[in-house]
Amino acid sequence: ETGVTQTPRHLVMGMTNKKSLKCEQHLGHNAMYWYKQSAKKPLELMFVYNFKEQTENNSVPSRFSPECPNSSHLFLHLHTLQPEDSALYLCASSQEGASFPGPQHFGDGTRLSIL
Amino acid sequence: SQQGEEDPQALSIQEGENATMNCSYKTSINNLQWYRQNSGRGLVHLILIRSNEREKHSGRLRVTLDTSKKSSSLLITASRAADTASYFCATGIFTGANSKLTFGKGITLSVRP
Repeated sequence: ETGVTQTPRHLVMGMTNKKSLKCEQHLGHNAMYWYKQSAKKPLELMFVYNFKEQTENNSVPSRFSPECPNSSHLFLHLHTLQPEDSALYLCASSQEGASFPGPQHFGDGTRLSIL
Repeated sequence: SQQGEEDPQALSIQEGENATMNCSYKTSINNLQWYRQNSGRGLVHLILIRSNEREKHSGRLRVTLDTSKKSSSLLITASRAADTASYFCATGIFTGANSKLTFGKGITLSVRP
């Protein structure tokens, strides 16, 4: 049990579908992150939320829309994705907040495949 | 630009041997962290070493940091088949209001029984 839970674990969708990824952390952490992991590439930071406020959008296309209703939940809304968006999407949280580069705790990810 | 770069990209050893993995980076850092990722799972934090520390131990793990050479190494002693995984280094930097944790591409470690 990692303390960070992501659902669904696998998702297959067409390019015109709308779906959402969910992340929940049970650790009482103050910052939450979305990452994209593609084969043979470094982990790409997408969004950062610090105390529920978005503090970083790393030039992510608008077809990805994050939402953080409270400090325990994070969503990634997906719309009109492209085949190159197929990847493992990882959620992470950190205790100290986004202003300190401390250890991050990751969920097991959602494996997304775009048809 | 990529901050942490691991070396080698892949490593295959026999159970019981030691595994050494290296990480180099380009700019000044506040800390350096190592993570492990098993197949189909998320990353797990292993160890953090601060920029003013030179060596740190945790169980069978030993991490060194040389800020003059901008490099770090992770040593796993007496490896086990269960150590088979990908290992990532990540550099932690303060950027003012925010901080940045930048990951490398990872090293694939295979431990043969």
